[in-house]
Amino acid sequence: SQTIHQWPATLVQPVGSPLSLECTVEGTSNPNLYWYRQAAGRGLQLLFYSVGIGQISSEVPQNLSASRPQDRQFILSSKKLLLSDSGFYLCAWSGGEHEQFFGPGTRLTVL
Amino acid sequence: AQSVTQPDIHITVSEGASLELRCNYSYGATPYLFWYVQSPGQGLQLLLKYFSGDTLVQGIKGFEAEFKRSQSSFNLRKPSVHWSDAAEYFCAVGSNDYKLSFGAGTTVTVRA
Repeated sequence: SQTIHQWPATLVQPVGSPLSLECTVEGTSNPNLYWYRQAAGRGLQLLFYSVGIGQISSEVPQNLSASRPQDRQFILSSKKLLLSDSGFYLCAWSGGEHEQFFGPGTRLTVL
Repeated sequence: AQSVTQPDIHITVSEGASLELRCNYSYGATPYLFWYVQSPGQGLQLLLKYFSGDTLVQGIKGFEAEFKRSQSSFNLRKPSVHWSDAAEYFCAVGSNDYKLSFGAGTTVTVRA
């Protein structure tokens, strides 16, 4: 069966520091991969999605970037965090069907 | 572009009572519709989905949803809620490019 992992689970970072969040999927190949951000009391905002290695589409101009160095690995990065980057970050995958399956999330607090 | 509206931000329901969560979508073609549930600090779990066919779909945990094209709605229902159903619920619509648009969510509180 397929599983999706995210780490770290929680992260507290100072403003201006770099960021790297990792997401990996097991049990499937060539998945579509997605990064979402969920701000407190709000819905999910799609940040990036990828249909293959090295293929990244950005949905919202921002301080973040994404990379897909391997088929089942998706990384969210920033060179310098802003206060507004705080939130709950969710990775998801889909196998060519329309439903997406979500990881456990990473709670990021920027101080 | 597609969009989803969940009119109720917060609903409180007594344990054992019925629950209905509203969802309205906007999409030009035949929609792919989903309901997800999220417990605090957790990821989202898929409750059910509608792609085509029977407009009443059954999901996990005793939930069901009905697709009404004429009303652009996909409301979620459960006949008798349990305390463990307290969570946030998200409706989503999928497009042909395999992206989902989510509503803002409805928080459900279950009182004893």
